[in-house]
Amino acid sequence: QKEVEQDPGPLSVPEGAIVSLNCTYSNSAFQYFMWYRQYSRKGPELLMYTYSSGNKEDGRFTAQVDKSSKYISLFIRDSQPSDSATYLCAMSAKDNFNKFYFGSGTKLNVKP
Amino acid sequence: NAGVTQTPKFRVLKTGQSMTLLCAQDMNHEYMYWYRQDPGMGLRLIHYSVGEGTTAKGEVPDGYNVSRLKKQNFLLGLESAAPSQTSVYFCASSSVAGGTYEQYFGPGTRLTVT
Repeated sequence: QKEVEQDPGPLSVPEGAIVSLNCTYSNSAFQYFMWYRQYSRKGPELLMYTYSSGNKEDGRFTAQVDKSSKYISLFIRDSQPSDSATYLCAMSAKDNFNKFYFGSGTKLNVKP
Repeated sequence: NAGVTQTPKFRVLKTGQSMTLLCAQDMNHEYMYWYRQDPGMGLRLIHYSVGEGTTAKGEVPDGYNVSRLKKQNFLLGLESAAPSQTSVYFCASSSVAGGTYEQYFGPGTRLTVT
């Protein structure tokens, strides 16, 4: 079983839709949770970062962590064609914070 | 600042050939990483370094070697390339300063082994 599971998609939505992206994990030691965005043929770039449980909002993006369910989500409001990319979740444990475990990524396409 | 740069951007190797991928960062980061990205597999850690002169194995280290002789550079070597090493290779760096542990990624190297 993989440490981090993520639905690969692809996910296709119309412009303006609310998008929900999710990851599940098995290691209860994970404390740091991140979402990276990767455009085609580019390196991943950090979108959101949360520590432990709870919500974090940044503009149109909201990250949620539910440690009891080992489930994290990224919501994108008012999605734009420029949001079309692959979204990767990543997480690490407090005692080994620099060792990231990545999901396989969800490919999102926002249609104009 | 250039951030994280990788050389070369593309490379085609024949089975058994060797090559070195170069990663350079100008952010004075302590930590550096090499990942490979394959379809459906996400990013997998090959080797990483927590400081100049130190290296450690990641999730998929077999067939690769690394060196970190200078803080700003991290080299990934393939001694005898195999078709299974066809992949996109990403280098990343991070710092503990600020407490976010964000990893900054380079643009990637596309390697094909025939």
